[in-house]
Amino acid sequence: QLQLQESGPGLVKPSETLSLTCAVSGLSINNRLYHWGWIRQPPDRGLEWMASLYYTGITYYSPSLKSRLTISADSSKNQFSLKVTSVTAADTAMYYCVRLSDGVPGDVWGQGTTVTVSS
Amino acid sequence: QSALTQPASVSGSPGQSITISCTGTSSDIGTSNLVTWYQQHPGKVPKLMIYEVTQRPSGVSNRFSGSKSGNTASLTISGLQAEDEADYYCCSFAGPSPSYVFGTGTKVTVL
Repeated sequence: QLQLQESGPGLVKPSETLSLTCAVSGLSINNRLYHWGWIRQPPDRGLEWMASLYYTGITYYSPSLKSRLTISADSSKNQFSLKVTSVTAADTAMYYCVRLSDGVPGDVWGQGTTVTVSS
Repeated sequence: QSALTQPASVSGSPGQSITISCTGTSSDIGTSNLVTWYQQHPGKVPKLMIYEVTQRPSGVSNRFSGSKSGNTASLTISGLQAEDEADYYCCSFAGPSPSYVFGTGTKVTVL
């Protein structure tokens, strides 16, 4: 059974870099049928697509966040990661990792990890 | 790239049908068949309800249906039930830089 499990620091200081990891079990992230990505949701607000990647190394980023994001994969650990640089309070959110199937984001979701940006 | 526009709230009585609109542009909904809808109950993970404008994933009730006309996509819930009370979000693939854009979200209330 496919499962995605996010992990993150919980609390990060303004201007620092946020690092998130999504561990995938039950399916190889090198499976050529799927892409993998990140979606976030600030408290009491809507969903925001952030980035996705394909096992070949192709990456896609939200235009509004592109300058601060790096998405990458570690096939040896069957996981993928997201780095967000220069965080501010606006980056406080629940961060979800998702599978994309045939260009459809979120046919499978992780449970999410909460990140708070505060000094 | 602006968020797709949805009504903040829609309500209906049990058994009624409601429709949620999602308005974008010719750079997203207008030129993409990758339009999806998600349901999110409070404190829960979003759930995919509709993909590729009209398709339902296995296990999703046929009371949920999707459509698109021009730059506007719609989600219709027929035979409204108490369990349908949730937030709903649309999403579309957007060009020219490959990305996705979500809607502003709609709170559905069952009266």
